[in-house]
Amino acid sequence: DAGVTQSPTHLIKTRGQHVTLRCSPISGHKSVSWYQQVLGQGPQFIFQYYEKEERGRGNFPDRFSARQFPNYSSELNVNALLLGDSALYLCASSSSGTEQFFGPGTRLTVL
Amino acid sequence: QKEVEQDPGPLSVPEGAIVSLNCTYSNSAFQYFMWYRQYSRKGPELLMYTYSSGNKEDGRFTAQVDKSSKYISLFIRDSQPSDSATYLCATEKGGSTLGRLYFGRGTQLTVWP
Repeated sequence: DAGVTQSPTHLIKTRGQHVTLRCSPISGHKSVSWYQQVLGQGPQFIFQYYEKEERGRGNFPDRFSARQFPNYSSELNVNALLLGDSALYLCASSSSGTEQFFGPGTRLTVL
Repeated sequence: QKEVEQDPGPLSVPEGAIVSLNCTYSNSAFQYFMWYRQYSRKGPELLMYTYSSGNKEDGRFTAQVDKSSKYISLFIRDSQPSDSATYLCATEKGGSTLGRLYFGRGTQLTVWP
C-alpha cells in the first residue's frame, strides 16, 4: 500500500513569495495533519483536518492556511514567506486521529 | 517550559549494546505516547504507540510509560548500525485535541560496528 505522499520534495522561494504544499494521505485515512520541523527540533503542529473540517490549529500566524479536499488530500499554503519559514514541512495521516503516519516531507528554503 | 523534554544527545554506542532513550512531559492530560524514528532528511516513522502506563514490546524495541512520574522510555536491545537515526518521542492528549502531537526535540543515536 502507498504511504503518505507529499509534493514537491524540495522548494526554494524568496522572501515575500507564496508557497503551496500538497499531501495525499494513506488510502482510507480521513485525517490529515501538518507539522513544521526546523533543523534540530521536533515537529511542531500547524493544522489538523478531519473530514474536510479544521479540527485544530497550532500557534502559527494567519499567513499559514490549509484545506482538505473531498478525496481527503490536503494543501498547506504559506503567504508572505519569511526566512524563518525555512523548514521541513511534514504531513501525517490517520484513520481516526490516533496513530499518525508521516510522509517524507517537503523541504522549503526561503532566501 | 516545553511540553515534552528530550535530551538531544548525541548518543553513540557499539553494535549489540542496549540503548535507553528517555523523555519527560509536563502535562498530566497526555494520554497517548509514541516513539518515532527519523533518518536524516526523511519523515518520521512510527515505531511504538502506547496508551497509558505500562510496557509494550515489539521485537527489539520496548516502550515504557510511567504516568506517575511523567516519564517515557524506549529501549533498543541488540542495537544495529541500521538503528542509527534520530528518535523522537511524542505525546497526545486525546479528546477534542486528538491528533495534535507534541514532540520532543529528538535524540540523535549512532550505533557503530
